[in-house]
Amino acid sequence: RKEVEQDPGPFNVPEGATVAFNCTYSNSASQSFFWYRQDCRKEPKLLMSVYSSGNEDGRFTAQLNRASQYISLLIRDSKLSDSATYLCVVSTSGNTPLVFGKGTRLSVIA
Amino acid sequence: EPEVTQTPSHQVTQMGQEVILRCVPISNHLYFYWYRQILGQKVEFLVSFYNNEISEKSEIFDDQFSVERPDGSNFTLKIRSTKLEDSAMYFCASSGTGTYTFGSGTRLTVV
Repeated sequence: RKEVEQDPGPFNVPEGATVAFNCTYSNSASQSFFWYRQDCRKEPKLLMSVYSSGNEDGRFTAQLNRASQYISLLIRDSKLSDSATYLCVVSTSGNTPLVFGKGTRLSVIA
Repeated sequence: EPEVTQTPSHQVTQMGQEVILRCVPISNHLYFYWYRQILGQKVEFLVSFYNNEISEKSEIFDDQFSVERPDGSNFTLKIRSTKLEDSAMYFCASSGTGTYTFGSGTRLTVV
């Protein structure tokens, strides 16, 4: 199974900051792309799916560049509650096993 | 909101013992998965299950592992003879139309 690589962390940012996470994937057959959030010792939870046209959900914006096999997540106006590990996840199609990156830890500081 | 339920939340077992981890997937989902996460490492795929059989498995899923769907609701992962390196969080997940839902996990500690 091919890999998903993410920025090494941790990222320590003040409240209100904008923070960007980057991810690359090696399997060119990947078709589905996600950002998950994982709190300490909890299960991964879907933050957002990532579409080719880019998509936004409130303070979160995700982008996909298929040619470069690159995915990004931008968090604007960081909140303390955004502190978590952010996982870049891909799969080759719906319902096939997910391949996880190691994650990037974010700490938002007051 | 439908959820995937896992039991127990924490299991401690002696090396060499068998353990069974249990999961109740979302009722209308057809695909089931087990993943594990060793402390400080990434989430790793173990096995997927569809139509009452294994559809895919990773190199981690060797002969000491097995999965079963003994009835219409439960989905189990058995580890036959546990090793120290099996200590990890084990997550069950299910999916329907490409939407995956994870259970809260079982923390397995092998001593």
